[in-house]
Amino acid sequence: DVKVTQSSRYLVKRTGEKVFLECVQDMDHENMFWYRQDPGLGLRLIYFSYDVKMKEKGDIPEGYSVSREKKERFSLILESASTNQTSMYLCASSSGGGNTEAFFGQGTRLTVV
Amino acid sequence: QKEVEQDPGPLSVPEGAIVSLNCTYSNSAFQYFMWYRQYSRKGPELLMYTYSSGNKEDGRFTAQVDKSSKYISLFIRDSQPSDSATYLCAMIAPSNSGYALNFGKGTSLLVTP
Repeated sequence: DVKVTQSSRYLVKRTGEKVFLECVQDMDHENMFWYRQDPGLGLRLIYFSYDVKMKEKGDIPEGYSVSREKKERFSLILESASTNQTSMYLCASSSGGGNTEAFFGQGTRLTVV
Repeated sequence: QKEVEQDPGPLSVPEGAIVSLNCTYSNSAFQYFMWYRQYSRKGPELLMYTYSSGNKEDGRFTAQVDKSSKYISLFIRDSQPSDSATYLCAMIAPSNSGYALNFGKGTSLLVTP
């Protein structure tokens, strides 16, 4: 069973803090993704990675950075958290081809106060 | 204009009804088309995947793609209360740098007993 694990289900951070969201997948997938999901806006791609140390900006990369030092782990970093980054964050992974399923983690509900 | 458009609903139907969910898109490069189902407080899970124009059936679910009209549909026959969820269409335009999913906003479906 493919598993994508996000380190926290719920997180509360203060404005200005540096926040790390961790994602680990156990199926040796090449592609990993970070999305945020907001009511009325749907799932929006923040960053994705198609290989170790490779990253591509998605639709809304501002205020975020990512790190992929190992194939199984993809980290999302909020350099200085702001209240408008309060959201549900979803990590996903998929194997190399486009005709394969993306598997999602359970999500991290981040609240910035 | 967002590349993938989807009516967010909510859509409420009685048990046993036929449900029709739709998405339109503007990017001709999209080649892979998927429907994900997301239950409350869970990550999305793949429901149906199609590549070419035409219909694909899986039990009570039928996915339809019309590339000439840039229109995809998901039909649910004999809908059940357990089908109540948010349904997200997703599309991939393969590129040299990966296979990121582009999502619609999702349609919230409620099937009432």
